[in-house]
Amino acid sequence: DAGITQSPRHKVTETGTPVTLRCHQTENHRYMYWYRQDPGHGLRLIHYSYGVKDTDKGEVSDGYSVSRSKTEDFLLTLESATSSQTSVYFCAISQAGLNQPQHFGDGTRLSIL
Amino acid sequence: DAKTTQPNSMESNEEEPVHLPCNHSTISGTDYIHWYRQLPSQGPEYVIHGLTSNVNNRMASLAIAEDRKSSTLILHRATLRDAAVYYCILISPTGGFKTIFGAGTRLFVKA
Repeated sequence: DAGITQSPRHKVTETGTPVTLRCHQTENHRYMYWYRQDPGHGLRLIHYSYGVKDTDKGEVSDGYSVSRSKTEDFLLTLESATSSQTSVYFCAISQAGLNQPQHFGDGTRLSIL
Repeated sequence: DAKTTQPNSMESNEEEPVHLPCNHSTISGTDYIHWYRQLPSQGPEYVIHGLTSNVNNRMASLAIAEDRKSSTLILHRATLRDAAVYYCILISPTGGFKTIFGAGTRLFVKA
């Protein structure tokens, strides 16, 4: 498996609290991605990064922010969590080019009560 | 935005070939066709991808229609470990990166 670690793996929190999910990679890949997966929706892209400090929005970016201060870490923050953000969050990485294969982490299951 | 359409589920016998279809009639010229699969409680796993030509790798083959409006993932000999949800995805690296995941096909493999 590609060296991708997501933390935490599970989290339960309350509406209105800030939440930060971390994706750490040991592959030195340039591109990193955050997705959410909900029943009936497949995966949807939240944000992606094409280098340190270089990020862009995906199709469901509202309510989320990201940061990438080092090649190996990509953080996803929910500034004020809402129940609609209850989901499974996946991080992915790819080596060279946005059209190249992505390797996924094992996911973070986030429940917002 | 281009979308993909896949059957909800398919069934196969072990050791037999499996052909998983995907329709993407609104695909644009720069969209890549990727296939991933996902086992329960795991992240998706890359299977294969292509642009225009058919592709083969150790896991599977990808057959792309000449007009690129459909593609087929071919598993040459299904095993029980191939039981998963298979996603056909379009990735557009230009004009604003997009990945379009559909609902996928759940493949059942019978021993």
